[in-house]
Amino acid sequence: DAGVTQSPTHLIKTRGQQVTLRCSPKSGHDTVSWYQQALGQGPQFIFQYYEEEERQRGNFPDRFSGHQFPNYSSELNVNALLLGDSALYLCASSSSGGRNTEAFFGQGTRLTVV
Amino acid sequence: QKEVEQDPGPLSVPEGAIVSLNCTYSNSAFQYFMWYRQYSRKGPELLMYTYSSGNKEDGRFTAQVDKSSKYISLFIRDSQPSDSATYLCAMNTNAGKSTFGDGTTLTVKP
Repeated sequence: DAGVTQSPTHLIKTRGQQVTLRCSPKSGHDTVSWYQQALGQGPQFIFQYYEEEERQRGNFPDRFSGHQFPNYSSELNVNALLLGDSALYLCASSSSGGRNTEAFFGQGTRLTVV
Repeated sequence: QKEVEQDPGPLSVPEGAIVSLNCTYSNSAFQYFMWYRQYSRKGPELLMYTYSSGNKEDGRFTAQVDKSSKYISLFIRDSQPSDSATYLCAMNTNAGKSTFGDGTTLTVKP
């Protein structure tokens, strides 16, 4: 079992650019949640996808958008990057539409905006 | 004020010590309480989760939840150098979104 896989592992972008991060959930999981973790802080919930729809959203601007595919994999898109978007972006997968609290995290994508 | 507050640490203990990690919260709707361990440059790893109040034990780890005080704890017995990591508490209302504390960094010295 490969667990949750994220790509790429590291990324450097310039202010104003757009970025796409990818996540493949753990086998058997149908729900994907995205979190942003700034240095020295806990993960902050961005949004959750289930059945290819955004079910919940945290306090993040519309520059952050996502998608879930029929195979349950997911993408996180961030437009018009700001320096403050530099963080570790974590994907977590779970089952049962997120009602299962046993969420498994990937290793994250470290995004640096310069 | 944050919904979840966690003792910031850092915490440094000798090998074999009992470690106590704590979080307080303000949202009485939280029902599920989780503890994650995060090694440097890695994703969080779920250690334990507890539903509502009570204790749960798993090997050297014990999680306690006191909903009346809005206070949760994680105890680590016989701590090992391999336990050195950042420990995150997290909570949710069974609606999918988890709210995390900012973590406590633990160092266990041989």
